[in-house]
Amino acid sequence: SQKIEQNSEALNIQEGKTATLTCNYTNYSPAYLQWYRQDPGRGPVFLLLIRENEKEKRKERLKVTFDTTLKQSLFHITASQPADSATYLCALDLGDTGKLIFGQGTTLQVKP
Amino acid sequence: SAVISQKPSRDICQRGTSLTIQCQVDSQVTMMFWYRQQPGQSLTLIATANQGSEATYESGFVIDKFPISRPNLTFSTLTVSNMSPEDSSIYLCSATNNWAGELFFGEGSRLTVL
Repeated sequence: SQKIEQNSEALNIQEGKTATLTCNYTNYSPAYLQWYRQDPGRGPVFLLLIRENEKEKRKERLKVTFDTTLKQSLFHITASQPADSATYLCALDLGDTGKLIFGQGTTLQVKP
Repeated sequence: SAVISQKPSRDICQRGTSLTIQCQVDSQVTMMFWYRQQPGQSLTLIATANQGSEATYESGFVIDKFPISRPNLTFSTLTVSNMSPEDSSIYLCSATNNWAGELFFGEGSRLTVL
C-alpha cells in the first residue's frame, strides 16, 4: 500500500533561516502532491500543489520541489518567522478519486 | 474557496452512546470527505460522502460504525456509533470542487469518550 513519510522529529530553526521539510513516498506514483499547514486545534489549510510534471513551484516565501525519481518532495520556507511555527503535512492523491492520503506531518518551531 | 462549519466543535460522551457530527459548506461542492485525526497522528480518511447515495468507506471503516449522510451538495453528517474510548479523536470534514484541487477543511470535532 502507499506510504508517506515525513520527518517525525520537530524541526527547530532560528528566525530568518530557511526551513526545509521532507516528504518521501513509496509504492505509488501520484499525479500531484500537496502541502498543508495545521495549527493546534485547527483544521489543515492548503498551501501549495505541485504536479508530477512540475519540478518546482513557488508562492511568496514558500517553495516546493517534486522529484518523481527519488519519490520525494521538499518544502522550503525562506526567511522564516515565528508565525510560521506549525505542523506541515504533505498529501498525495489517490488517482482519479479526489481523495488524498496524508503524511504524519512535521512540526516546525521558529525561534525569534 | 469554501468555508466549512462543523458542530459540535467538541463533546464528551459516554461509552456505548452515539454522536452525530454535522458539516455545512457555504457553497456547493463536488466531493466531501470525512477524516479522523487521533492525538499526535496524521489524518486518516474514513469515507467519501456521496450525495444522494451510500458513502464509500476506506479499509478499516464500516457503515454500521460510521454511518454517513449527504442529502445535498452542501451538507453531510457523520455518526460515530456505539462509542468506545478508542473512538476518542478529532473528526474532520473536508470538501473540494475538483479532482486535483485543494481540500478545504472544517475546524474539526474533538470527541472524548469516557
